[in-house]
Amino acid sequence: QSVLTQPPSASGTPGQRVTISCSGSSSNIGSNYVYWYQQLPGTAPKLLIYRNNQRPSGVPDRFSGSKSGTSASLAISGLRSEDEADYYCAAWEDSLSGWVFGGGTKLTVL
Amino acid sequence: QVQLQESGPGLVKPSQTLSLTCTVSGGSISSSSYYWSWIRQPAGKGLEWIGRIYTSGSTNYNPSLKSRVTISVDTSKNQFSLKLSSVTAADTAVYYCARDPASGNPGLDYWGQGTLVTVSS
Repeated sequence: QSVLTQPPSASGTPGQRVTISCSGSSSNIGSNYVYWYQQLPGTAPKLLIYRNNQRPSGVPDRFSGSKSGTSASLAISGLRSEDEADYYCAAWEDSLSGWVFGGGTKLTVL
Repeated sequence: QVQLQESGPGLVKPSQTLSLTCTVSGGSISSSSYYWSWIRQPAGKGLEWIGRIYTSGSTNYNPSLKSRVTISVDTSKNQFSLKLSSVTAADTAVYYCARDPASGNPGLDYWGQGTLVTVSS
């Protein structure tokens, strides 16, 4: 099982707002930044959110991230069909000196 | 624009060594600003970080794989490589390489397209 915990699935209808949670511990999320990656079907992961709530250039502001304590969330507003993808959270793990990921959340746009 | 491209055999026999190379274009791998990481993803499963190398040659490895992993860098070819020894079917996965900036904490910001490695006799 993954070090970071995510729900396996989430869904919403076009235009809705959905959130995906990510739970960790004091040695990862609690003491380091959280990152979110979007993986469209058949493609490589793409950086979506960095340093908890920053968007790389080109990422729509419909995507937002937040962190509180040892948990984090990704919010997607104005849901669109092209948002259907797998979403992974990640953080640096101090005890391993390495990156750890969540198990991924499959987002379905109904 | 930085691009990364994985290459290597798509089929490896059990107990043998998996060897992959990541070629970086659009930037110098010897820049002191970056680590270079390997990540893998078994079919239908999540992402697993394998390890990374700094341009100085220093490495970090996932403890669960550390005894079998070697990551090296060839600055003359602008490449870095992964070797995973004593492979089993559990090592069958898509393997990705990624850039991991050493400052500013931007995360794994550029990824290769991935290459599927199947372990089978």
